[in-house]
Amino acid sequence: DAEITQSPRHKITETGRQVTLACHQTWNHNNMFWYRQDLGHGLRLIHYSYGVQDTNKGEVSDGYSVSRSNTEDLPLTLESAASSQTSVYFCASSESGDTEAFFGQGTRLTVV
Amino acid sequence: GEDVEQSLFLSVREGDSSVINCTYTDSSSTYLYWYKQEPGAGLQLLTYIFSNMDMKQDQRLTVLLNKKDKHLSLRIADTQTGDSAIYFCAESNDNQGGKLIFGQGTELSVKP
Repeated sequence: DAEITQSPRHKITETGRQVTLACHQTWNHNNMFWYRQDLGHGLRLIHYSYGVQDTNKGEVSDGYSVSRSNTEDLPLTLESAASSQTSVYFCASSESGDTEAFFGQGTRLTVV
Repeated sequence: GEDVEQSLFLSVREGDSSVINCTYTDSSSTYLYWYKQEPGAGLQLLTYIFSNMDMKQDQRLTVLLNKKDKHLSLRIADTQTGDSAIYFCAESNDNQGGKLIFGQGTELSVKP
């Protein structure tokens, strides 16, 4: 079955370190998204991509970057992790023109 | 900017109806969604409504949209303990599926 997977599921890192969270989908969807989930805020969009080599900033993009070198993957990089980036991160994908997005299981990141 | 608001908690008895409410500010919203999140899991699309509709029914779920008041509700009939989860309202002004603005989420607790 096609799916969307995130790795790792849990990570603890130190302030100032670079961290990359992986997202891989096997539906061949053009659209991919990264969100963070925090209590009281719901999910907020970090970055998104509508295809290979396309990336766009979302509402809370500061301190994060993404790259899209193929259809299946959209890795999220924290250039220099900060305690404010402790959160649960969700990746999602959707097909162009389709209303439904499919979410991964999430990555819980703790920055100490 | 755009905003989506939900009440944070709702508690009901098994067998009763649950009504979860949401308000949004973006008058150009095209699609309005309800997502469900079970503990430790990603988000699952429950249903969505196009902005030119005022009601949509899908088995036990009824979505009502009051576009004038920018108010969306989700009614779950005959609520079961398995419906206990966090429910997110979200809106989008395009058809790209995953580019969403979420509410804070309503935690539904169903008591036997």
